[in-house]
Amino acid sequence: GQNIDQPTEMTATEGAIVQINCTYQTSGFNGLFWYQQHAGEAPTFLSYNVLDGLEEKGRFSSFLSRSKGYSYLLLKELQMKDSASYLCAALGGRRALTFGSGTRLQVQP
Amino acid sequence: GAVVSQHPSWVICKSGTSVKIECRSLDFQATTMFWYRQFPKQSLMLMATSNEGSKATYEQGVEKDKFLINHASLTLSTLTVTSAHPEDSSFYICSASLRGNTIYFGEGSWLTVV
Repeated sequence: GQNIDQPTEMTATEGAIVQINCTYQTSGFNGLFWYQQHAGEAPTFLSYNVLDGLEEKGRFSSFLSRSKGYSYLLLKELQMKDSASYLCAALGGRRALTFGSGTRLQVQP
Repeated sequence: GAVVSQHPSWVICKSGTSVKIECRSLDFQATTMFWYRQFPKQSLMLMATSNEGSKATYEQGVEKDKFLINHASLTLSTLTVTSAHPEDSSFYICSASLRGNTIYFGEGSWLTVV
C-alpha cells in the first residue's frame, strides 16, 4: 500500500528557514515530488528527488533518503508569498502520484 | 506556457445532470493521463488512470459508472461526472507525463453541483 505522512500545519517567520518533513511507504518507487499549492489553484512543481541526497534550487532545497523512506523540503529566506500548502507526493510503479495530506505553512511578519 | 490544458476551469451544474471536463496534452502525446480529486482542505486523491485506446483503471472506492473516462486520442482525456450530486462538488485535476518522470498538471476544474 501507499502511505505518505507530513505535518498538517507549520508556522514560521518571514526571513527564517523552515523544514517540512515527509515520510513515505510505497509499493514501487520512482521518485519523490514536492509541490506548492495556493488555495484554489493547481499544484506547482517545486522539486523531484529520485536519488539519495540534497537537491538545491534557489531558496528551495529537497532531500531524500530512500533507505529511510524520508524526505524534507527546506525553504530559506521565507517570504510572505510562501504561505501555502506544500504537498509531498511519491511516484509509484504505475507513474501515478500518491499525495500526502499537505502541510499548510503560514509565514508571519 | 501550459503543457497540459484543462477545461472548463469553473462549472456549475444542477443535481442530476452530467458535466464533462477535458484534459489536453499540448504538443505532446500522452498515452496515460491521471485524474485526481481534491475536496476542500484535503489533499489530492487519485481517482483513475486514463489509458489511450482502452478502459480506464479506477481506484478503489471510485464509481466507474459515475465518473466516465474517455481517452480516445493521444492528446485528450475526458472525465464526465454523471448524475451529479452536491457531494460531487470538488476540485478535479488531471496530469500527464511528458518524458519519464516529468509530470505536468492541468489548471484544474472547480465543479459545484447545486
